[in-house]
Amino acid sequence: NAGVTQTPKFQVLKTGQSMTLQCAQDMNHEYMSWYRQDPGMGLRLIHYSVGAGITDQGEVPNGYNVSRSTTEDFPLRLLSAAPSQTSVYFCASSYGTAGANVLTFGAGSRLTVL
Amino acid sequence: GESVGLHLPTLSVQEGDNSIINCAYSNSASDYFIWYKQESGKGPQFIIDIRSNMDKRQGQRVTVLLNKTVKHLSLQIAATQPGDSAVYFCAERDQNSGGSNYKLTFGKGTLLTVNP
Repeated sequence: NAGVTQTPKFQVLKTGQSMTLQCAQDMNHEYMSWYRQDPGMGLRLIHYSVGAGITDQGEVPNGYNVSRSTTEDFPLRLLSAAPSQTSVYFCASSYGTAGANVLTFGAGSRLTVL
Repeated sequence: GESVGLHLPTLSVQEGDNSIINCAYSNSASDYFIWYKQESGKGPQFIIDIRSNMDKRQGQRVTVLLNKTVKHLSLQIAATQPGDSAVYFCAERDQNSGGSNYKLTFGKGTLLTVNP
């Protein structure tokens, strides 16, 4: 049981390049989400999904796309990277969306956009 | 370590002492609170949670206190160990979110350093 797995751990991009951050969980969790973490800002929600085929925007969705074709995977796409997207990205999942269902986080992906 | 450690409130304690980490929240509609621990280079890890109908909840070496009157949450760690060194985040959920976890709001965190 690997939990939440994120790849890559580190990535450097040039402005305008595109890339996908991968997230996979093997816990059969319904809910998955992406956060970014910046100094002094706390964790901010980018996009989330309450189940396969369903996605929605969080607090800071601009510049990012997501899809949820399977229960296990929830990739985050940057279509045209900008320096403002330099951050540490965390994927998280939970069994349900209500009650005290605790989020399980991945180890993070550090992205630098030059 | 993670650059998230910069610009954070810090707390430095001696090994064996008790630690108290504080969190203020502003949303009176928050009904559920969680503490997370984030070690350098890792993702946040759940420590303990508490619902708004409780004032106190205890776990293994940790206690969370909730004061709804002044909108204050604290995490107490007993007999702090070097392995407790990390950034600690509180998170709150708005009861008007229908119980959904995606409405969690995270605090900026406190860096705890335990000196041996």
